[in-house]
Amino acid sequence: DTGVSQNPRHKITKRGQNVTFRCDPISEHNRLYWYRQTLGQGPEFLTYFQNEAQLEKSRLLSDRFSAERPKGSFSTLEIQRTEQGDSAMYLCASSPATGTFYEQYFGPGTRLTVT
Amino acid sequence: EDQVTQSPEALRLQEGESSSLNCSYTVSGLRGLFWYRQDPGKGPEFLFTLYSAGEEKEKERLKATLTKKESFLHITAPKPEDSATYLCAAGTSGTYKYIFGTGTRLKVLA
Repeated sequence: DTGVSQNPRHKITKRGQNVTFRCDPISEHNRLYWYRQTLGQGPEFLTYFQNEAQLEKSRLLSDRFSAERPKGSFSTLEIQRTEQGDSAMYLCASSPATGTFYEQYFGPGTRLTVT
Repeated sequence: EDQVTQSPEALRLQEGESSSLNCSYTVSGLRGLFWYRQDPGKGPEFLFTLYSAGEEKEKERLKATLTKKESFLHITAPKPEDSATYLCAAGTSGTYKYIFGTGTRLKVLA
């Protein structure tokens, strides 16, 4: 088990472009989370998947953001028409169980820079 | 509104100088309190889970405790390699999300 992986690790894009990030969770984990983290802040919840179902989405999340988890395995996070305020570290985490709160295992993150 | 607050924001310790980090929470039904360590440019690394007041967990030089309003991360005789940002997060009733604090940046000087 190699842990949670994320690709790419770094992405530089111009304002207005679309970007897509991928997360591969630990294989037996059915819970998957996306977070955004800016400098000096803690991770901010974006969305949650249980298997392939997206069960919760942050009210703060713009409709430019969309996430999928087809077949309950890997997940993608897409940002359309990027803005400079989207520059941040995007973290993915997976968790092993349903029914209660368990520890999350984070990937290394994708650092997005919008110029 | 559910909230997690950590203090201090930053802490500098001499090697061997023990101290505590604070995480206070105001949530509607705590379902778990989590501590993570985050090194620069990396994702958070899980340390402890606490589920009920009075619970304690230990790992090497770290000890986490939980009361009904706050959690403490005690660092005993820290070493320079303990330097990192320490994050706490709360899981609450009625939602799947974890609410993170802003972290305490710890620097241990040799």
